[in-house]
Amino acid sequence: GQSLEQPSEVTAVEGAIVQINCTYQTSGFYGLSWYQQHDGGAPTFLSYNALDGLEETGRFSSFLSRSDSYGYLLLQELQMKDSASYFCAVRNSGNTPLVFGKGTRLSVIA
Amino acid sequence: DAGVTQSPTHLIKTRGQHVTLRCSPISGHKSVSWYQQVLGQGPQFIFQYYEKEERGRGNFPDRFSARQFPNYSSELNVNALLLGDSALYLCASSLESYEQYFGPGTRLTVT
Repeated sequence: GQSLEQPSEVTAVEGAIVQINCTYQTSGFYGLSWYQQHDGGAPTFLSYNALDGLEETGRFSSFLSRSDSYGYLLLQELQMKDSASYFCAVRNSGNTPLVFGKGTRLSVIA
Repeated sequence: DAGVTQSPTHLIKTRGQHVTLRCSPISGHKSVSWYQQVLGQGPQFIFQYYEKEERGRGNFPDRFSARQFPNYSSELNVNALLLGDSALYLCASSLESYEQYFGPGTRLTVT
């Protein structure tokens, strides 16, 4: 079986930094992706980690530790528009579909 | 370039009816995947098609079926609708499976 665990809700202040964690249990592992979804919208791709380490894309960074079956998404300089749900997703091999976590709802407050 | 498009955007059906949802991928993308998203949950994989062949199927009953056409567009069919089928149905196209481009979805309500 496969399972992904991430916090259900996180609240942070505008301008601050927030980290959303994701732990996974899968029969195989090919990589960890992160998606953002605003209310009423479609998920949009944020980042992908196949190897251990940190990937940085502007204000967003994603980290992976394959040995710990753990990753996180780091959002810096939070803005109100970052309020959304964030999903981690794994794939077991190169051609298998993504398996999504239940999502973390991030609320950015003033 | 246009993104992934889906039709219809909203749909209301009665239990027992049949529904067909449509999806057009981004130009050049040959892989299309379908997901069901229930409120408060992550997208759950239903089907993946690549070059008109089924590449994967999620844990959904046989009432769910799909196909991909020569132009890479796709249809998702659901027969004998149940109340529990009410959800947002998302279509995604991709070149690489880790980076899926999602359409706006079809909101299906079964009454």
